[in-house]
Amino acid sequence: TQLLEQSPQFLSIQEGENLTVYCNSSSVFSSLQWYRQEPGEGPVLLVTVVTGGEVKKLKRLTFQFGDARKDSSLHITAAQPGDTGLYLCAGTPYSGAGSYQLTFGKGTKHSVIP
Amino acid sequence: ETGVTQTPRHLVMGMTNKKSLKCEQHLGHNAMYWYKQSAKKPLELMFVYSLEERVENNSVPSRFSPECPNSSHLFLHLHTLQPEDSALYLCASSQVVGQGGRGYTFGSGTRLTVV
Repeated sequence: TQLLEQSPQFLSIQEGENLTVYCNSSSVFSSLQWYRQEPGEGPVLLVTVVTGGEVKKLKRLTFQFGDARKDSSLHITAAQPGDTGLYLCAGTPYSGAGSYQLTFGKGTKHSVIP
Repeated sequence: ETGVTQTPRHLVMGMTNKKSLKCEQHLGHNAMYWYKQSAKKPLELMFVYSLEERVENNSVPSRFSPECPNSSHLFLHLHTLQPEDSALYLCASSQVVGQGGRGYTFGSGTRLTVV
């Protein structure tokens, strides 16, 4: 079982501050995804990164996939109350075809104080 | 309707009850999944269906019984559950089974409480 460790578990910041959350594993993943989940709702896909070293930007969110494809980070610039939620990373194991296991981390619960 | 729809949103059931969760997707996806989300644990994959055929069962107790009558509908039949089965049950779909790299579309979940 490939484990994805997310840190920090909880994060509370003031509106306008920047933050970075991390997703780490000792295993290699062919791709990593980030989801955001609001209370009472299902996770919503934010981005997929597939190439080692890849950086993707989505408005105030910047996603990076590690060179070795074992880790990823999500950086939020000038956080807003609407960014509050549970941020989940999920990885597709680098084990070839036939793997149905999209492995999830426990998530980082993030709240922005107005 | 678009996306993945789950009903009911909330369910309270006794340990001797029988109930069913329903999931419907209008995305034309061929794969559907059931996940369990408990506090302080990662999402746990329960069942995977590809074109109505079950392709994976992750050692889930027999008190959970899935059914996939067609590629748009997925059910989870529940009977004689335990209090520790209380959780958020999420349904998801993807274009092709195992194509995790393109992302899954999740429903809003059913919050299940077993009393």
